[in-house]
Amino acid sequence: RKEVEQDPGPFNVPEGATVAFNCTYSNSASQSFFWYRQDCRKEPKLLMSVYSSGNEDGRFTAQLNRASQYISLLIRDSKLSDSATYLCVVTGNTPLVFGKGTRLSVIA
Amino acid sequence: DGGITQSPKYLFRKEGQNVTLSCEQNLNHDAMYWYRQDPGQGLRLIYYSQIVNDFQKGDIAEGYSVSREKKESFPLTVTSAQKNPTAFYLCASSNSGLARPDTQYFGPGTRLTVL
Repeated sequence: RKEVEQDPGPFNVPEGATVAFNCTYSNSASQSFFWYRQDCRKEPKLLMSVYSSGNEDGRFTAQLNRASQYISLLIRDSKLSDSATYLCVVTGNTPLVFGKGTRLSVIA
Repeated sequence: DGGITQSPKYLFRKEGQNVTLSCEQNLNHDAMYWYRQDPGQGLRLIYYSQIVNDFQKGDIAEGYSVSREKKESFPLTVTSAQKNPTAFYLCASSNSGLARPDTQYFGPGTRLTVL
């Protein structure tokens, strides 16, 4: 089982839609979880950290389920500018482990 | 402005040549990292360093070398032993290392193409 797995997509959604991404991780000892956003041919940028109690930032909500070992990202009222690849990131026995990313395309 | 810089943005090299990618940060971060990203793939860790004069191999260190003589600088050398070096190389830094995982901040990356 890969350390971090994400549905690669692409997710093609209309503007205003709600979209959710899931990410599963294999290391039950993982402590820290993040979502990064990566635009085409650019570096990843931190979108939000994921706390045990969940985390909300505007239209974005991240949740952690330790029992099932997955984290999720919910984007409400999608904008064209949300089009990007979203990377799930987990700490394991080495520095951050990155998923391959889920590509989102928001369509007008 | 604080941040991480990488140079050059694009780099072309002939097969069999060594090449060094630059990474500098003025964030006063202790830990620095090098990743490689191939099209449609996630980031894979090449080397990381938690303090000056110390570094560890990541998942794909073969064919690469690094140094950490200064806190601000973590150059990566892609040697001729790296069989498939064409990729997007990303440098990152963070305020803490393995003991207290923290968010990483990335430089803009260097696209290396072997001709």
